[in-house]
Amino acid sequence: QQQVKQSPQSLIVQKGGISIINCAYENTAFDYFPWYQQFPGKGPALLIAIRPDVSEKKEGRFTISFNKSAKQFSLHIMDSQPGDSATYFCAASISGSARQLTFGSGTQLTVLP
Amino acid sequence: GAGVSQTPSNKVTEKGKYVELRCDPISGHTALYWYRQSLGQGPEFLIYFQGTGAADDSGLPNDRFFAVRPEGSVSTLKIQRTERGDSAVYLCASDTGHIYEQYFGPGTRLTVT
Repeated sequence: QQQVKQSPQSLIVQKGGISIINCAYENTAFDYFPWYQQFPGKGPALLIAIRPDVSEKKEGRFTISFNKSAKQFSLHIMDSQPGDSATYFCAASISGSARQLTFGSGTQLTVLP
Repeated sequence: GAGVSQTPSNKVTEKGKYVELRCDPISGHTALYWYRQSLGQGPEFLIYFQGTGAADDSGLPNDRFFAVRPEGSVSTLKIQRTERGDSAVYLCASDTGHIYEQYFGPGTRLTVT
């Protein structure tokens, strides 16, 4: 059973535009929601993360929006750049003993110059 | 400082053979995770160590897979009687055990022929 659903599967954005990737989760015990960026041949790199006690977190051009009641969270990339072209994964985990990350299926982002 | 390192970066083996994959976590990180990533998919959890002991091995697909971390630092993932379906990128991640920011290594690409 897939516990974190991610959309879209692929996304093409013009340079300078806003990229938006969405995730929905099922397990209400999840309390940590990170986003990872992965380039071909590399491991995932932590981008930004949020806990459900806040509705939004911003770091530079990257913003996470979190809707606890809807069990949804999204990544917004402002002023998207060609260097942002990568695969993005949302994930979720539970504090305490069950700390492993459950990942979404990924979004391949292409930013056109 | 140095990140998570994994060796080898690539491993090609024949069906039925035994393989070992190594992970060196970030110095001082007490928690270590193994994930498996198939092409076009998000990483899937295999096993999690807190110190020397396996805190959760619920993601190991069957008893051909085994992992150890004898001194609480380096970990080895062992796969017996490899099958073609085991072909994937095996990722290792670590965190401090207190802050849930997992940092991933570059992965080992395993190909079973």
